[in-house]
Amino acid sequence: GAGVSQSPSNKVTEKGKDVELRCDPISGHTALYWYRQSLGQGLEFLIYFQGNSAPDKSGLPSDRFSAERTGGSVSTLTIQRTQQEDSAVYLCASSLERPGTGNTIYFGEGSWLTVV
Amino acid sequence: KQEVTQIPAALSVPEGENLVLNCSFTDSAIYNLQWFRQDPGKGLTSLLLIQSSQREQTSGRLNASLDKSSGRSTLYIAASQPGDSATYLCAVSNTPLVFGKGTRLSVIA
Repeated sequence: GAGVSQSPSNKVTEKGKDVELRCDPISGHTALYWYRQSLGQGLEFLIYFQGNSAPDKSGLPSDRFSAERTGGSVSTLTIQRTQQEDSAVYLCASSLERPGTGNTIYFGEGSWLTVV
Repeated sequence: KQEVTQIPAALSVPEGENLVLNCSFTDSAIYNLQWFRQDPGKGLTSLLLIQSSQREQTSGRLNASLDKSSGRSTLYIAASQPGDSATYLCAVSNTPLVFGKGTRLSVIA
């Protein structure tokens, strides 16, 4: 696609429910990243994919968070038993190659999650 | 652990003024540094990417410099316009990108 696409753009969910956030990276980009941005805070790294594998998932805040990537393309971030502190914008990004190769990283518009 | 600091946190300037945004990082072993712009309610737009071997990059009215040894980068915006109002984020590429908290810029007409 022309850019990184994320869905849903907005999601309101009840505490305790599970949510799935989807990211469709730029076609041909091998690296995919998930970040979280809470109100007034900086971007917090969650997980990085190279192809379908996740060399770095050190930023996932708890075992309620998981992510997968299939076919080297679409990725899904799943949050189980959502809590109010999970409310944030979840940003997905992709780059042509792995970090450190000098590629520009392109971000999607984000998925705004509100847990009530 | 890499830490990225941006100063000032917020800045308000009159239209037409030249301005400098600052970014510092604690670990100089970076691959590159990238400046982004974020408009309210939007994702991030890449402005400039400086490789670790480079000292500066220019795009239009924007000029970014990198001094890796001192752990500093600046983003210079010439002849600011109200449309430049946004939050500007600096990020350094270790693995993964580590972001500063941004500088919120307001350009007053």
